[in-house]
Amino acid sequence: KAGVTQTPRYLIKTRGQQVTLSCSPISGHRSVSWYQQTPGQGLQFLFEYFSETQRNKGNFPGRFSGRQFSNSRSEMNVSTLELGDSALYLCASSMTGTSVRNEQFFGPGTRLTVL
Amino acid sequence: DAKTTQPPSMDCAEGRAANLPCNHSTISGNEYVYWYRQIHSQGPQYIIHGLKNNETNEMASLIITEDRKSSTLILPHATLRDTAVYYCIVRVAFSNYQLIWGAGTKLIIKP
Repeated sequence: KAGVTQTPRYLIKTRGQQVTLSCSPISGHRSVSWYQQTPGQGLQFLFEYFSETQRNKGNFPGRFSGRQFSNSRSEMNVSTLELGDSALYLCASSMTGTSVRNEQFFGPGTRLTVL
Repeated sequence: DAKTTQPPSMDCAEGRAANLPCNHSTISGNEYVYWYRQIHSQGPQYIIHGLKNNETNEMASLIITEDRKSSTLILPHATLRDTAVYYCIVRVAFSNYQLIWGAGTKLIIKP
């Protein structure tokens, strides 16, 4: 069974630009969550999508947005990039997100550098 | 804010058991304890979870105290590949609530 894939793996942008990151969950998984990981703040929850609907949202500004397609693939978009957006962006998928086990399978992440 | 407290770092000799403690003194009755680990530059990996009974799987054992205010993750025979940051998280089961991650414990396995 293929794991969670994220593209691109590395990205360099400049301030003010926008970026779109992609995540393909494990086949059959309907919940996709996005996290931002920085050395200073650790892993922080961005949002979760389930059946094309945003079900949960973390405390990030509106510049961070996402969506999910009918095949459960998800994209996240960051507009008007700031230096502080430099981070590892992780995507995780799970069957439903509400099971006891809630085993989230993480992708390798996209390393975004904002110059 | 994370609801767990973990030591920032620990060392363990290769081949020995690694015991990673976690404090969750404010845990509620319907919250499970989850453990994940993150090997450098990779996404986190699920290890094990439990409610109140001790649990064991092919990767590790989880010991939860009777009052549920603390737990210990045990890697029975640590190898160099177990060097990682280990996260202890509490979460309400059967909910949409997302995992809230603390700083974790950096476990270094030494040859």
